[in-house]
Amino acid sequence: GDSVTQMEGPVTLSEEAFLTINCTYTATGYPSLFWYVQYPGEGLQLLLKATKADDKGSNKGFEATYRKETTSFHLEKGSVQVSDSAVYFCALSSGSARQLTFGSGTQLTVLP
Amino acid sequence: DAGVIQSPRHEVTEMGQEVTLRCKPISGHDYLFWYRQTMMRGLELLIYFNNNVPIDDSGMPEDRFSAKMPNASFSTLKIQPSEPRDSAVYFCASSSAGPGHNQPQHFGDGTRLSIL
Repeated sequence: GDSVTQMEGPVTLSEEAFLTINCTYTATGYPSLFWYVQYPGEGLQLLLKATKADDKGSNKGFEATYRKETTSFHLEKGSVQVSDSAVYFCALSSGSARQLTFGSGTQLTVLP
Repeated sequence: DAGVIQSPRHEVTEMGQEVTLRCKPISGHDYLFWYRQTMMRGLELLIYFNNNVPIDDSGMPEDRFSAKMPNASFSTLKIQPSEPRDSAVYFCASSSAGPGHNQPQHFGDGTRLSIL
């Protein structure tokens, strides 16, 4: 079945540091890929998505490129801020299924 | 625009009591999902509906859990009787019926449930 493997956390960075959170997936067919972010006490919010190979999703300075050859969708940001502290989830949906398969989440803490 | 609305935000009750969680999806969305989030098990899909009909309830942990969607704007998740191991944050999410599988899900802020 489908699965998503995410970089283990927690990740702690200083403000303005470069961020990479690794995500790889296993799926049948051609999945859509998503990154969600969860701030403390809130639900998950869609951060960005990509629906086909080589697509790049971007939002709020975050980027991720759909790499079919490596089955990866790594999240990057060039300069993190304290306000980026949250839990980040990689997810996919494939075929006709509407449900998402989530990774385990990566806790990011950015220190001033 | 109003997002997904869940109530209550927090619920504390004693073991054995009935618990009812409520969700109002985004207007016009055809899919509704119930999730449970715990530190140990992460985010688990419990059940989802399409046009008010349950499609997949394989994630419902046991018969103590039930979910209904009587109309397009309301769903409930009920636990009866509740047990301490049901303590978790329960999320509701909805999505539209756009083409393919690339429609994102929109999450509510969750209900934090504590069973004593």
